[in-house]
Order: sequence, then structure tokens, then C-alpha cells
Amino acid sequence: GAVVSQHPSWVICKSGTSVKIECRSLDFQATTMFWYRQFPKQSLMLMATSNEGSKATYEQGVEKDKFLINHASLTLSTLTVTSAHPEDSSFYICSARDLVASYNEQFFGPGTRLTVL
Amino acid sequence: RKEVEQDPGPFNVPEGATVAFNCTYSNSASQSFFWYRQDCRKEPKLLMSVYSSGNEDGRFTAQLNRASQYISLLIRDSKLSDSATYLCVVISGGSYIPTFGRGTSLIVHP
Repeated sequence: GAVVSQHPSWVICKSGTSVKIECRSLDFQATTMFWYRQFPKQSLMLMATSNEGSKATYEQGVEKDKFLINHASLTLSTLTVTSAHPEDSSFYICSARDLVASYNEQFFGPGTRLTVL
Repeated sequence: RKEVEQDPGPFNVPEGATVAFNCTYSNSASQSFFWYRQDCRKEPKLLMSVYSSGNEDGRFTAQLNRASQYISLLIRDSKLSDSATYLCVVISGGSYIPTFGRGTSLIVHP
């Protein structure tokens, strides 16, 4: 299947700092990528839909000024958690849909585990 | 009513057992259906796409019932390594935005 990478795989930072997470589709192009957050023993929560060349679409309750999304190319989307606080500690996962796929399969990155001290 | 519903389980079964999960969806316009597997502290991985005609991959069989709006996953001859959370994913219309179920936890014991 298609490969999606995320970087970094884990990060520990101090409260108040900003953290940037990259999501790349390695062997396919993706006009749309999705960003999720998952707290322990809970289901994936969609945060936003990242659209190449346009603004991201955020889910209700997700602050767009806190979670900055940039989708600069067909293979890269970034999520920046600005002024991170301990409650932002979570597992952040991106997924991408192959532009030419016929059945809309989503392929997930390995996730980024963020811990804010 | 949630858009995609799954029994969270856990389903606790012995090795070799056959186990089945169902997932119901509320949007009759849903077009694409998938089962993903998620291991603890890892990302979801695509297990199977679910087509209208149903599909089978080794010990795994997935089926779609549009009339009753549910999909199913059958696992035969369960292995210890099948222990995981199984996520039902539904995509509706042209948005390509996936909607996830909460997941069903499967524990296969010796």
C-alpha cells in the first residue's frame, strides 16, 4: 500500500513552545490530507482537513489559530501546535488519500507522540 | 445517533475461534467502507476495503449490507496476533472525509 511518513515520531517540549509536525506521502500525491488526534484509549478525532493550495477546514471546537495547518505541495502537509500546553499532549496522526485511487482508501502516517511538560 | 457505531467490546476469544464484528452507519449516501486495524500506541493500518460484493482475504471476510446499513468483519481461526482494535471507517459523498467508529477491541488468548 501507499506510504505516509510523519516527522518527528515523538517530541517532548516545554509549555509555551511551538511544535511542527510534518506529514508526507512518499509514493503518491495527495490533494487532501487529514489530521487526527487520539487520546489514550479513545477513538481518533478528526481535527482538520488539509487541502493543497488552500486553507484547511477545521472541525468544530478545533482552534485554527492554535493548530496551524499548511499544505504547500501535493506530498506535504504540516501541523504546527502553537504555544503548546500540557493538555495538548496527545498522539497526532495524519492520513492521506491517493489522488488517483478509485476507492478512497486512507493511508496513515505512523503518528507523532507529543508530550508537553 | 452517531454516524458510525461499533460495539467497543472487548471480544475475548480463544485461539482458533471465529469472531465477527458489525458496524452500522447512518448516512445512506455513504460510498466507501473500510476496516482498519490499530495496535496499541500505533497508527491505524488498512485491513480491508469493503466492496458491495463483499471480499475475502485469507482468514478475513468483509461484507456490506446497504439495505440495513452495516458492514461486517469475520475473522476465522483467530491468532494471538489478531489482538488489536478494529476500526470501521465510512466515507460519504464527495468530501472524502472519513468517519471512524470507536473501534472494537479483540483479545485472542491461548
